[in-house]
Amino acid sequence: GNSVTQMEGPVTLSEEAFLTINCTYTATGYPSLFWYVQYPGEGLQLLLKATKADDKGSNKGFEATYRKETTSFHLEKGSVQVSDSAVYFCALSDRTSGTYKYIFGTGTRLKVLA
Amino acid sequence: DTEVTQTPKHLVMGMTNKKSLKCEQHMGHRAMYWYKQKAKKPPELMFVYSYEKLSINESVPSRFSPECPNSSLLNLHLHALQPEDSALYLCASSQVSSGDSEQYFGPGTRLTVT
Repeated sequence: GNSVTQMEGPVTLSEEAFLTINCTYTATGYPSLFWYVQYPGEGLQLLLKATKADDKGSNKGFEATYRKETTSFHLEKGSVQVSDSAVYFCALSDRTSGTYKYIFGTGTRLKVLA
Repeated sequence: DTEVTQTPKHLVMGMTNKKSLKCEQHMGHRAMYWYKQKAKKPPELMFVYSYEKLSINESVPSRFSPECPNSSLLNLHLHALQPEDSALYLCASSQVSSGDSEQYFGPGTRLTVT
């Protein structure tokens, strides 16, 4: 079946450092891919998405490119801030009996130090 | 308005109690979701409603009973829960159930079963 694999965390960075969180997927076909962020005590918020190969999603300085050849959707940010500390989930959209649902990765916790 | 609201924010219940969680959205979305999230884990899908009809039940125990009275409202009725059911319960909605629809999440209800 379809699946998403994320790099293990936690990831600890200093403010203004470059961030990469790896995400690879296994899927039949070409599902849409998403990054969600969850701040402590809150629900998930959509960070960005890409719906087809070579699409680049971007938002709030974060970027991810849908790479069909490497089945990857790595999240990057050029300069992280303390306020980016959160858990990041990679997800793909999977179809079951005509209804779509997300398959989430395990999540990567990011801690940014001042 | 891109908000999904959930009530209550916190709930403590005994194993013999009956309680309900409520979720509401006014974005005109026709797909709604219930997730369960344990600490340091990704959300686990429980139910999906599409156009007010139950379309996915992820083999959830019958002590959880979903209800979608109208297109804006989603309830989760709880009865005879176990301590291991303690978790954050998240509601989400999307425009429709489609491959590229992003889901909007509520802040969740923190449930403790004693």
